[in-house]
Amino acid sequence: NAGVTQTPKFRILKIGQSMTLQCTQDMNHNYMYWYRQDPGMGLKLIYYSVGAGITDKGEVPNGYNVSRSTTEDFPLRLELAAPSQTSVYFCASSSNGIPYNEQFFGPGTRLTVL
Amino acid sequence: AQKVTQAQTEISVVEKEDVTLDCVYETRDTTYYLFWYKQPPSGELVFLIRRNSFDEQNEISGRYSWNFQKSTSSFNFTITASQVVDSAVYFCALTMEYGNKLVFGAGTILRVKS
Repeated sequence: NAGVTQTPKFRILKIGQSMTLQCTQDMNHNYMYWYRQDPGMGLKLIYYSVGAGITDKGEVPNGYNVSRSTTEDFPLRLELAAPSQTSVYFCASSSNGIPYNEQFFGPGTRLTVL
Repeated sequence: AQKVTQAQTEISVVEKEDVTLDCVYETRDTTYYLFWYKQPPSGELVFLIRRNSFDEQNEISGRYSWNFQKSTSSFNFTITASQVVDSAVYFCALTMEYGNKLVFGAGTILRVKS
């Protein structure tokens, strides 16, 4: 199993550009998450999904959109990139909503907005 | 509101020293779950341990040990005989009984020098 994969690994965007960060998991997990990690800060939840077709906002959703058309994929969309979105983005998944189950994280995408 | 505080921003030790990473949490829930994750220089997050609020038993896994004390709302992590490979950022995280949204501390950078 590849686990959770993310593409791209690195990206530089200009202000106002848009892009989609891809996330795929092959563990048949129902729950998927997007976090951002800013320097010196812990991870903050952007959006999460409890299954195909169902998404909800996390702590810092502004400026982002998500969709979940399949169990495997959970892309994160930035419509109008801003310097404040410069961060490392992590996708994660877990088998269900039981809090005891750990989340499995992807390798991250480092995004710079100039 | 839920909150996790890791007051130690950065710790430097010499190989073979013991080191303790502090984690203090805040929650009004009686049922909650605590986690530790490791983020090595390669960037991915690696799950280390979980503990639920009803289990205050300390745990030891090789050179790693965890001390959970509800009376002080702390879940500290000790590495015995540290090694260079332990150099990483360590995150403490909290989630509640319902939902599976992790709240992370800011992380502690551990540098182990040979």
